[in-house]
Amino acid sequence: KQEVTQIPAALSVPEGENLVLNCSFTDSAIYNLQWFRQDPGKGLTSLLLIQSSQREQTSGRLNASLDKSSGRSTLYIAASQPGDSATYLCAVLSGYALNFGKGTSLLVTP
Amino acid sequence: GAVVSQHPSRVICKSGTSVKIECRSLDFQATTMFWYRQFPKQSLMLMATSNEGSKATYEQGVEKDKFLINHASLTLSTLTVTSAHPEDSSFYICSAGRLGLAYTDTQYFGPGTRLTVL
Repeated sequence: KQEVTQIPAALSVPEGENLVLNCSFTDSAIYNLQWFRQDPGKGLTSLLLIQSSQREQTSGRLNASLDKSSGRSTLYIAASQPGDSATYLCAVLSGYALNFGKGTSLLVTP
Repeated sequence: GAVVSQHPSRVICKSGTSVKIECRSLDFQATTMFWYRQFPKQSLMLMATSNEGSKATYEQGVEKDKFLINHASLTLSTLTVTSAHPEDSSFYICSAGRLGLAYTDTQYFGPGTRLTVL
């Protein structure tokens, strides 16, 4: 059974800092990996999707990398802003189902 | 494009009653819709997968007679929580896969429904 772990569970940083969120998964047989953002009490917004054959994806200040063989992914956020405060979820698609981590709760303080 | 809506966004009901949650793909057709449940501080857990015109596939441990899923059209799936109890209180989120794309493509998520059972 695929297990997805996210570290740290919570993170607080001052505005402007670059930061890294970590995701690990136990079964490397995945189709893709996605990073989502979830605001309190809200649904999910897809940030980046990395197919299993890819190594990284970039969108604006976000960069996600994937090392399938080691079962790891990182989400890099450059020049963090208070508006980046949210929970970031990592999910891997293996089989037909998305398996989610518990998320990293990020707080960016002005 | 690729907007998924859920209705209602929030519902409070008495124990023993049934609650229906709708999930709609507004600007695309969805062959497959997924229902997830999220408890506080926990991961989203897949409950069931529904394909238009066929029976839903439930994950292990999810009671199919309690969580009724109907996917009657390519734009609508419904989840009915029957005889709800306080332990069913949770955040229910649906997602949809776009018709014509591989299921390995991204899923589009609805905004979620907060169910509180008193």
